[in-house]
Amino acid sequence: GENVEQHPSTLSVQEGDSAVIKCTYSDSASNYFPWYKQELGKGPQLIIDIRSNVGEKKDQRIAVTLNKTAKHFSLHITETQPEDSAVYFCAASNANAGKSTFGDGTTLTVKP
Amino acid sequence: DVKVTQSSRYLVKRTGEKVFLECVQDMDHENMFWYRQDPGLGLRLIYFSYDVKMKEKGDIPEGYSVSREKKERFSLILESASTNQTSMYLCASTQGGQETQYFGPGTRLLVL
Repeated sequence: GENVEQHPSTLSVQEGDSAVIKCTYSDSASNYFPWYKQELGKGPQLIIDIRSNVGEKKDQRIAVTLNKTAKHFSLHITETQPEDSAVYFCAASNANAGKSTFGDGTTLTVKP
Repeated sequence: DVKVTQSSRYLVKRTGEKVFLECVQDMDHENMFWYRQDPGLGLRLIYFSYDVKMKEKGDIPEGYSVSREKKERFSLILESASTNQTSMYLCASTQGGQETQYFGPGTRLLVL
């Protein structure tokens, strides 16, 4: 089955700096890669996603890049703010599996 | 907005008790999922369901069962709760295998 590895497990940055979280996946059939943000006391919520026919996608301060050849994708957050502090999960899925495999999560702390 | 609700935010049970965790979604989604979340282990899939009365085992089904009698409701059952089932339980729903997963707020279960 699919295996998703996520690094780092914890990340601390100063407000205004950039943050990068990386994930690798094993199943070449995976073609949908969402990123979820989980704030304290809440369930994860989608913040951005990318499909395998696209190499990069941007939404304001958040961007995701995908390298299908190397089987890795990354989340980039620029100009970080304290409210970006949360746990971030990457995931990979394909239509045949009908389910997503999640990374172990990254706890991001943005220091004011 | 899609809403996924879970019957309890916090639950305390004794070893050996039968425990029911309920999840309801209001967007007519076909697919529903139960995960458990433990520090450093990410989101692990327990069971999922593609349709009423259908269920599929996830990665860690041992000690759990599920029930889906109505499309909007997916129940997780711990037949005989054990201390190693103390965890955060998250329910999610989605329309298709590759679409965004919508999560509930989670139920934090403590088994004494």
